[in-house]
Amino acid sequence: DAGITQSPRHKVTETGTPVTLRCHQTENHRYMYWYRQDPGHGLRLIHYSYGVKDTDKGEVSDGYSVSRSKTEDFLLTLESATSSQTSVYFCAISFSVSYEQYFGPGTRLTVT
Amino acid sequence: AQTVTQSQPEMSVQEAETVTLSCTYDTSESDYYLFWYKQPPSRQMILVIRQEAYKQQNATENRFSVNFQKAAKSFSLKISDSQLGDAAMYFCAYRSANSGYALNFGKGTSLLVTP
Repeated sequence: DAGITQSPRHKVTETGTPVTLRCHQTENHRYMYWYRQDPGHGLRLIHYSYGVKDTDKGEVSDGYSVSRSKTEDFLLTLESATSSQTSVYFCAISFSVSYEQYFGPGTRLTVT
Repeated sequence: AQTVTQSQPEMSVQEAETVTLSCTYDTSESDYYLFWYKQPPSRQMILVIRQEAYKQQNATENRFSVNFQKAAKSFSLKISDSQLGDAAMYFCAYRSANSGYALNFGKGTSLLVTP
């Protein structure tokens, strides 16, 4: 297993509250990604990082922000959670853009 | 964004038999990567196999092999000697070699393996 952990693994929160999900890697990979998985949609990219403090938006970035202050940590923040953000969130890492991406175990987030 | 299509929402195979999962994609690029990922009920995304578009030879990993048809933009996964542990959702994914960073996923095929 690639050394990727996500925390928390499960979370239930109320609409309007802020939520931060953490991805931690021990592989020293440069690239990190946040995806969401919803029924009927496969996985879709939210944000990605190509280095410390270097991030950019993906396909479904509205309502999300990210930060990466250390190589090993990539944080995803929902500033004000909405029910449409109920999903399973996956973090992934890759050594370079031409390499395959390895995924963390996922976080199931429920916004009530 | 490139579109990845998996036309089989569900497939079923008997243990020890062979099954092929289909994937087509839409791109104007000549250089790219294709992947198959497996997602068992544990929810973990597991890389099964990878194919570089510039390679004519089809990738193989033990019981898993692909049939890559670049002109037809087709990338099917063949699972030989199916095992109960192969039961999972399988996702086909595309990644550009020249632009962007995302994996573009299909919607998945659910594979049931029966004894």
